[in-house]
Amino acid sequence: GQSLEQPSEVTAVEGAIVQINCTYQTSGFYGLSWYQQHDGGAPTFLSYNGLDGLEETGRFSSFLSRSDSYGYLLLQELQMKDSASYFCAVPNRDDKIIFGKGTRLHILP
Amino acid sequence: KAGVTQTPRYLIKTRGQQVTLSCSPISGHRSVSWYQQTPGQGLQFLFEYFSETQRNKGNFPGRFSGRQFSNSRSEMNVSTLELGDSALYLCASSTTGMAEAFFGQGTRLTVV
Repeated sequence: GQSLEQPSEVTAVEGAIVQINCTYQTSGFYGLSWYQQHDGGAPTFLSYNGLDGLEETGRFSSFLSRSDSYGYLLLQELQMKDSASYFCAVPNRDDKIIFGKGTRLHILP
Repeated sequence: KAGVTQTPRYLIKTRGQQVTLSCSPISGHRSVSWYQQTPGQGLQFLFEYFSETQRNKGNFPGRFSGRQFSNSRSEMNVSTLELGDSALYLCASSTTGMAEAFFGQGTRLTVV
């Protein structure tokens, strides 16, 4: 089976850096993705890591270590609009994507 | 390019009734997945369809069913509604083999 663990909540200050961790257990590994969801909105894709290392997209970066079954999402220069829920997710061979329960990011001014 | 469209956006149903939700994927996307989202439980996978065939199924009772049409549009049906079925139901489409899924705005179902 597949399961993902991530913290339920994280709090950070505007302008700071925050890291959201995700550990996973999968039968077969096809990469780790991250999604953002604002209250009342739909999840939107942020990033994908298929290989070990860091992927950077503007203020957001995502890291993967396959040997540790671990990844994280790094958000820099936090803005109030980054307040949202963040989900890590793993796809399987047949396009079934399993999501973690999400991390609620609270940003303080 | 139009995004994923789900209808209706909101529904209120009574216990015991049934409901059908609709999802139109992005043009060219043949994989459609359905998720149930409730507070604290994240996105729970319901099922995934590709070319009118159910390829994957989550751990939901048989009251939850779905189908996909030849134009890739998909429907999900919930029969004998229970209060616990109240949730946001999200549909996502993707191009097979891609890690990125595109979500619709969801259908908010309330069972009273």
